[in-house]
Amino acid sequence: SSELTQDPAMSVALGQTVRITCQGDSLRSYYASWYQQKPGQAPVFVIYGKSNRPSGIPDRFSGSRSGNTASLTITGAQAEDEADYYCNSRDSSDNHVVFGGGTTLTVL
Amino acid sequence: QVQLQESGPGLVKPSQTLSLTCTVSGGSISSGSYYWSWIRQPAGKGLEWIGRIYTSGGTSYNPSLKSRVTISVDTSKNQFSLKLSSVTAADTAVYYCAREILASGFCWFDPWGQGTLVTVSS
Repeated sequence: SSELTQDPAMSVALGQTVRITCQGDSLRSYYASWYQQKPGQAPVFVIYGKSNRPSGIPDRFSGSRSGNTASLTITGAQAEDEADYYCNSRDSSDNHVVFGGGTTLTVL
Repeated sequence: QVQLQESGPGLVKPSQTLSLTCTVSGGSISSGSYYWSWIRQPAGKGLEWIGRIYTSGGTSYNPSLKSRVTISVDTSKNQFSLKLSSVTAADTAVYYCAREILASGFCWFDPWGQGTLVTVSS
């Protein structure tokens, strides 16, 4: 099955912009969805599809895709954005799901 | 607002079968075009999709776990369940249930249960 690759860790200065990427062959056919997970909590989805935000998610979160790479961009990162971020997509078989390994974001 | 809650033993012996149930509240498990999934996360590691079930009973499983996994649904109780056989220490993880939405070109999980820790140990 397909795999999705994420950078294990990233950092961003408070108020700056950070782009978290997710690479995989399945992303040529499918959009990624993105989840935020804080310690001891279940993941919360922040972006789905082309770049759709569920209600309650700040508009500083946005998504995009180019080729086999999906990106989650946080424009003007806040302290509360410090968390683990995971991408997922349908895999190339169209019947299964794959998750990226996650990116730990530190807000400095 | 739909909410999910996992339940089941927190400790399972090696070689035995892990059994968990997810109770759906705030809505019918049969309403809408949703799938119901299990996802797990070992401590300090990433998320792994285990499999899904549709209320018609159709299932899909992660190929790496397929030989050991069974997911079932009980619409009368608004629940779906996970059984994972022949467990080892590698199956120790927080297990989440989640509602999965499949659309053309993408999928996402929302909401999630709070998760339940299952430890495999003698």
